[in-house]
Amino acid sequence: EVQLEESGGGLVQPGGSLRLSCAVSPFTANTDYVNWVRQAPGKGLEWVAVIYHDATTYYADSVKARFTVSRDTSKNTVYLQMNRVRAEDTALYYCARGGLVVTEPHYFFDYWGRGALVTVSS
Amino acid sequence: QSALTQPASVSGSPGQSITISCFGTSRDIGSYQYVSWYQQHPGKAPKLILFDVNNRPSGVSNRFSGSKSGNTASLTISGLQAEDEADYYCVSYTMRYTYVFGSGTKVAVV
Repeated sequence: EVQLEESGGGLVQPGGSLRLSCAVSPFTANTDYVNWVRQAPGKGLEWVAVIYHDATTYYADSVKARFTVSRDTSKNTVYLQMNRVRAEDTALYYCARGGLVVTEPHYFFDYWGRGALVTVSS
Repeated sequence: QSALTQPASVSGSPGQSITISCFGTSRDIGSYQYVSWYQQHPGKAPKLILFDVNNRPSGVSNRFSGSKSGNTASLTISGLQAEDEADYYCVSYTMRYTYVFGSGTKVAVV
């Protein structure tokens, strides 16, 4: 069974940095891709970023140039480095595996972690 | 990247059918068959219920079905059950290689 587990959440001051981790099991480096999705308290879901099997990355406009997604295939782990955080970045951050049909990305999210809470406050 | 537009709430009686619309643009829903739907119960992670407009993952009830026309996607829940009470979100892949979620719809079984 596919499992994703986020870690690294916590309280961070505005303008500060935090790194979230997402452990993926099992992880197939040459096909799997992983997304980050966040949900502010009482609000809807917002897509944040994706890293594809070839390490290509894309970001939502709201986090571009502040957040960076990366991966360590030897550790089956994907990271979300959050810099220059703002109050509006306060949310539960989920990592979600990208869906494949056979071995091709079909751009959906088939397995989700339980989320890591990030609170930006002074 | 504005969110796709969904009705804030939809309600129905047990056994009825309801439809949730998801309005996008030619840059997302209108350009791809990559529309998916997610169900989220309170305090839980979202769960995939449809992908590629109208494909169900293994284990998802056939009471869930989807369609797409132009820039609009729809989710229909037939034979509404109490357990269907949840929030529902549509998602589309976009021409900017990103993804956009819908604003979310709260389904009430009354």
